[in-house]
Amino acid sequence: DAKTTQPPSMDCAEGRAANLPCNHSTISGNEYVYWYRQIHSQGPQYIIHGLKNNETNEMASLIITEDRKSSTLILPHATLRDTAVYYCIVRVEGSSNTGKLIFGQGTTLQVKP
Amino acid sequence: EPEVTQTPSHQVTQMGQEVILRCVPISNHLYFYWYRQILGQKVEFLVSFYNNEISEKSEIFDDQFSVERPDGSNFTLKIRSTKLEDSAMYFCASSGGRTFEQYFGPGTRLTVT
Repeated sequence: DAKTTQPPSMDCAEGRAANLPCNHSTISGNEYVYWYRQIHSQGPQYIIHGLKNNETNEMASLIITEDRKSSTLILPHATLRDTAVYYCIVRVEGSSNTGKLIFGQGTTLQVKP
Repeated sequence: EPEVTQTPSHQVTQMGQEVILRCVPISNHLYFYWYRQILGQKVEFLVSFYNNEISEKSEIFDDQFSVERPDGSNFTLKIRSTKLEDSAMYFCASSGGRTFEQYFGPGTRLTVT
């Protein structure tokens, strides 16, 4: 699975959009980009995933660059409850994949009032 | 909304003792996982389980560890002879498919003294 690089920490004002970047320059064609978050030592929580098209759900939007070497997770209106560690994970989707997730250090997002 | 549950929430044990951590995955899920997180460190994959057998295990998952799905609802992680370095949060996760999003439980905090 390709390696990802994320900034260790970011701040965001409450009510504003939080834009979390992720670099995955070695991503290959059959690798998806997943985002999870972990709120204060709780179990990680799935947010969104995508292959090459931008994706949106009730929690967030995922913007993947055309060359797929980077992506941005957007929380459109951050609240204090969005303070968490956000993980960008690249995972192969194929018969060799057993489903495991490889977590990095992630980005600690602090939403401030 | 269905959720993964784990018991106990906190387990304290003495070095060398056996512990069993229990998980109840989401009922129609077929893929099951254990992860651990040592305090202050990243979430680490331990094992994936499908069709009543291990599909992949990490280097951490040595002979001291075993997993079992003893009935149709529980998924257990056994550590045969605990060591101090086994102290961590242990997260169970399940998914409906190998490439689907994983749902994590709240974790069991294991403290080995």
